[in-house]
Amino acid sequence: AIQMTQTPSPLSASVGDRVTITCRASQGIGNELVWYQQKPGKPPKLLIYAASSLQSGVPSRFSGSGSGTDFTLTISSLQPEDFATYYCLQSYNYPYTFGQGTKLEIK
Amino acid sequence: QERPVQSGAEVREPGASVKVSCKASGDTFNYYMNWVRQAPGQGLEWMGIINSRGDSTSYAPKFQGRVTVTRDTSTNTVYMELSSLRSEDTAVYYCVRDQCSSTSCYPLLWGQGTLVTVSS
Repeated sequence: AIQMTQTPSPLSASVGDRVTITCRASQGIGNELVWYQQKPGKPPKLLIYAASSLQSGVPSRFSGSGSGTDFTLTISSLQPEDFATYYCLQSYNYPYTFGQGTKLEIK
Repeated sequence: QERPVQSGAEVREPGASVKVSCKASGDTFNYYMNWVRQAPGQGLEWMGIINSRGDSTSYAPKFQGRVTVTRDTSTNTVYMELSSLRSEDTAVYYCVRDQCSSTSCYPLLWGQGTLVTVSS
C-alpha cells in the first residue's frame, strides 16, 4: 500500500497568515491527490481534487500543488473558520490511503 | 448532489458483527461507494470500495477477511459488515460516494456517519 506522510502536525498559526501543509507519497501517484478539511463532529469536506483543482464552492484562498510524490495545500490568508484538521488522500490505486492529518490551531 | 444517508448508531459486544447501511438517491447510485472510519480522536482510515454494479470490491489489507461491502441495486443501498469486532473497532463509519473527473476518481460525498461502539 502507498503510504502518505503529512506534515506538520500540529500547526499553529494566526488569522491572516499564509500556511502550507505538505503530503508526501511513498511512490509516485501522478496527480491523484485530494485534500479534505474536517471540523469536530462533522464529516470531512473536499477542498482540492487532482492535486490542484479547487472543488466548487471552496474559497479561492485554498490552493493545491504538486505531482508525483510531493504535494502541498496552501491557505493564502487564514480565516477564523479555517482552523480545523486537514487530510490528504491518494486515489491513485487501492487501497486508498490517508495522511495522518494536520490539526491547524490558533496561535 | 444529495449525500448518502446512513443507518443509526449501533452497540455490539466484542466478537459480534455489525452491518451498517448507506442509502443513495438519484443518480448517486451509479457511482462507486467507499467506506471510511474514524476512531475517537484519531485520523481517517479507508476500509474499502464497491463498484456501481456491486460485483467488484477492494478492501484495505488491514480489514481483509473481516469486512464485506455489498450493494442492493433494487433498494439503492450499500452495506458494510464488519465481523469479529473488538474494542479498537469503536469508531464513526462513513460511506462516501466516489466522483470522477476527466482524469481521476476520489471520494466526494460523505454520509453523516454511523457510530459503532464495541463494548461488553
